[in-house]
Amino acid sequence: DAMVIQNPRYQVTQFGKPVTLSCSQTLNHNVMYWYQQKSSQAPKLLFHYYDKDFNNEADTPDNFQSRRPNTSFCFLDIRSPGLGDAAMYLCATSRDSQYNEQFFGPGTRLTVL
Amino acid sequence: DQQVKQNSPSLSVQEGRISILNCDYTNSMFDYFLWYKKYPAEGPTFLISISSIKDKNEDGRFTVFLNKSAKHLSLHIVPSQPGDSAVYFCAARGGAQKLVFGQGTRLTINP
Repeated sequence: DAMVIQNPRYQVTQFGKPVTLSCSQTLNHNVMYWYQQKSSQAPKLLFHYYDKDFNNEADTPDNFQSRRPNTSFCFLDIRSPGLGDAAMYLCATSRDSQYNEQFFGPGTRLTVL
Repeated sequence: DQQVKQNSPSLSVQEGRISILNCDYTNSMFDYFLWYKKYPAEGPTFLISISSIKDKNEDGRFTVFLNKSAKHLSLHIVPSQPGDSAVYFCAARGGAQKLVFGQGTRLTINP
């Protein structure tokens, strides 16, 4: 089945210790997104890639970076996690800019100690 | 400034009855709206959508209504089933390739 996969599902890191979250897709979609979702809040878009073009949201902290080495993979790097970065991180894809539907992975729950 | 709001954090409905989930938005430039459903430990999955040129879209037990003048949309589920228990997110297209989400409503269907 074509899908969006996120690894790991649960990640524990220490305050200030860099962490990388991974997302892969078998849908061959052009657009990949990273969202942050805190408890009982709306998913908040951090950035997205349209193919290789990176699009950062204006309010995304510099602490968050992303890489997309190829169509299938996208990574979220948190350079110095703070306690406020503990959240669920959702990866999503969409086929193209004309398609509104986004397909989500199961998410990675990040805990910062 | 939350542009998409779901004011009811939770809703409890008897099995077989109608579930109505509501969503309000503030940006009149939104032109496409979607509902997503999320089970625990899974990512949101697309449920149904509606373009701003329509006021209703139906898919089986699910119907979405859009009232542009009131900047309001609603999702009706009839009849409600236990498997419908989940968190429902409303989303609006806020620019090319981007969606703006509400904070979700937890729906519980009681037997």
